[in-house]
Amino acid sequence: QSALTQPPSASGSPGQSVTISCTGTSSDVGGYNYVSWYQQHPGNAPKLMIYEVTKRPSGVPDRFSGSKSGNTASLTVSGLQAEDEADYYCTSSYAGSHSYVFGTGTRVTVL
Amino acid sequence: EVQLVESGGGLVQPGGSLRLSCAASGFTFSTYWVAWVRQAPGKGLEWVANINPGATEKYYVDSVKGRFTISRDNAENSLYLQMNSLRAEDTAVYYCARYGYTAAFDIWGPGTMVTVSS
Repeated sequence: QSALTQPPSASGSPGQSVTISCTGTSSDVGGYNYVSWYQQHPGNAPKLMIYEVTKRPSGVPDRFSGSKSGNTASLTVSGLQAEDEADYYCTSSYAGSHSYVFGTGTRVTVL
Repeated sequence: EVQLVESGGGLVQPGGSLRLSCAASGFTFSTYWVAWVRQAPGKGLEWVANINPGATEKYYVDSVKGRFTISRDNAENSLYLQMNSLRAEDTAVYYCARYGYTAAFDIWGPGTMVTVSS
């Protein structure tokens, strides 16, 4: 299975919004509602931000939201804050199995 | 506190073997799928393998099939990754992660570094 495609970088000023795309196929992103998003600060482990396409775990600010259309999922960060500067990865189950594929990752910069 | 802590990383020569461990605490380990995810230096995340609660189902990324074996000991609340025939491209930080009822990797350990080099 090939990695899901994300843009290498995205940026925005404090208070603005940024949207990151995650493009796969009908065998992963498009076929199942098991897309999740992770935030990773340098030197740290990833942190779950969104699961099942649109749901937020307890403690994640509602500035983070997820959506999906066809084979592309998206993560939107509204009201950008300095602490949102990090790498973001999407992931999806593959072919309905317990195999998984991650996205290529997007570095978000707060200008 | 719910946590996972990896150990066992280090420097190994190409062709060598290493066994990683992950100690779980703060939750009922025996009821969850768990996984290994790795990250090569400066690169993205890559799912490596996972295992079901009863250790009857195991899945691997193609690049490690036949070389890596995932296992668990529910009595010891531990997850393992036996890595054989190691290659330079296996160099990475290896994370263990819990696959929760959220259908996502909801708990991660801090990671352990594996370096394959002569």
